[in-house]
Amino acid sequence: QQQVKQSPQSLIVQKGGISIINCAYENTAFDYFPWYQQFPGKGPALLIAIRPDVSEKKEGRFTISFNKSAKQFSLHIMDSQPGDSATYFCAPKPNDYKLSFGAGTTVTVRA
Amino acid sequence: DAGVIQSPRHEVTEMGQEVTLRCKPISGHDYLFWYRQTMMRGLELLIYFNNNVPIDDSGMPEDRFSAKMPNASFSTLKIQPSEPRDSAVYFCASTLWGDNEQFFGPGTRLTVL
Repeated sequence: QQQVKQSPQSLIVQKGGISIINCAYENTAFDYFPWYQQFPGKGPALLIAIRPDVSEKKEGRFTISFNKSAKQFSLHIMDSQPGDSATYFCAPKPNDYKLSFGAGTTVTVRA
Repeated sequence: DAGVIQSPRHEVTEMGQEVTLRCKPISGHDYLFWYRQTMMRGLELLIYFNNNVPIDDSGMPEDRFSAKMPNASFSTLKIQPSEPRDSAVYFCASTLWGDNEQFFGPGTRLTVL
């Protein structure tokens, strides 16, 4: 039943450090690989996403790395800031509108 | 720009009562989704609509849950009768055909005593 496995469950990083979150999936029909960011008391919001035809996408301090053969993709947060403290979800989907959310990773950035 | 609007933001009710959650999607969006978030089960898709028509309700937990979308700017999720295990944060999201990004509302925190 569980199509997506996200790790770690939580992580603590010092300001300026690198946060890395991983997502492994089973469904080979997935063709869109987003990461959503959620702050306490708010709804999730799209942070960055990648299509399977590229192996990496960078937007500012956030990078997605995609490994199709391993069925894994990861989120890297460079130069982590206290404002990045949030819960991050991978949520891949096939060619429809059904996102499959991972369990979430709570990131805490220490100043 | 108004995002997805949900009401109420918080709801506390007693077991057995009817609960109605409301959602106004972003204007022009033709897909609407209802999700439930709990610590145990994470974020689950309950049902989604396209052009006011339910497309997939396979995530609706049981017959006590029902959702409607009478027009393009309004949807409801109803729980009758409510049970303590229904306590969760319920999110509504919307998107436009061809757009992969879903825009989430602020959620309704439901507590059933």
